Amino acid sequence: GQQLNQSPQSMFIQEGEDVSMNCTSSSIFNTWLWYKQDPGEGPVLLIALYKAGELTSNGRLTAQFGITRKDSFLNISASIPSDVGIYFCAGETSGSRLTFGEGTQLTVNP
Amino acid sequence: GAVVSQHPSWVICKSGTSVKIECRSLDFQATTMFWYRQFPKQSLMLMATSNEGSKATYEQGVEKDKFLINHASLTLSTLTVTSAHPEDSSFYICSARDAGEAYEQYFGPGTRLTVT
Repeated sequence: GQQLNQSPQSMFIQEGEDVSMNCTSSSIFNTWLWYKQDPGEGPVLLIALYKAGELTSNGRLTAQFGITRKDSFLNISASIPSDVGIYFCAGETSGSRLTFGEGTQLTVNP
Repeated sequence: GAVVSQHPSWVICKSGTSVKIECRSLDFQATTMFWYRQFPKQSLMLMATSNEGSKATYEQGVEKDKFLINHASLTLSTLTVTSAHPEDSSFYICSARDAGEAYEQYFGPGTRLTVT
């Protein structure tokens, strides 16, 4: 089946630093999505990307849909303690089915 | 914003019993709902797609007779784990797609199932 390779698996940064994480796939996706999940909760959508090459920002978050439709990155600028959590990329195929990456655990030290 | 609820938020059951988990879209209609399973420190894995008024579509490797899905209305889907075993212990998360919007899925808060 389809797989998404997400890296890095974990990151430990200081408050104020910028963060970058990415996902790659051997398959093409129609839509790329980035989610954040806090412990014991469901994922929350951060950014949705619908077109190849699209660059979208949401506050301190910026994400891009790779031109080949097989990759995406997420940047977080000026990190703050509440950015702590697990970040997942997800690719959407027909029927709105989502395939999730393995996740990036982000720790922000104040 | 669109809200999806799940009930219960956590449940403990004995091996061999069945457990029903509800997923509700509170302020929108969802023609399609999805059920995911997440083991500790792992990603979400899609189990099945639930369409209102029709049979669910299961992902490869997911036993449809063990994980019964019913989507009887535009705001409710249920997942029943039948004859639960300890290896079924997991975090079960549903999502709902707004019938009025093209793309977005909204996720529920999850249900923690522990089978003893």
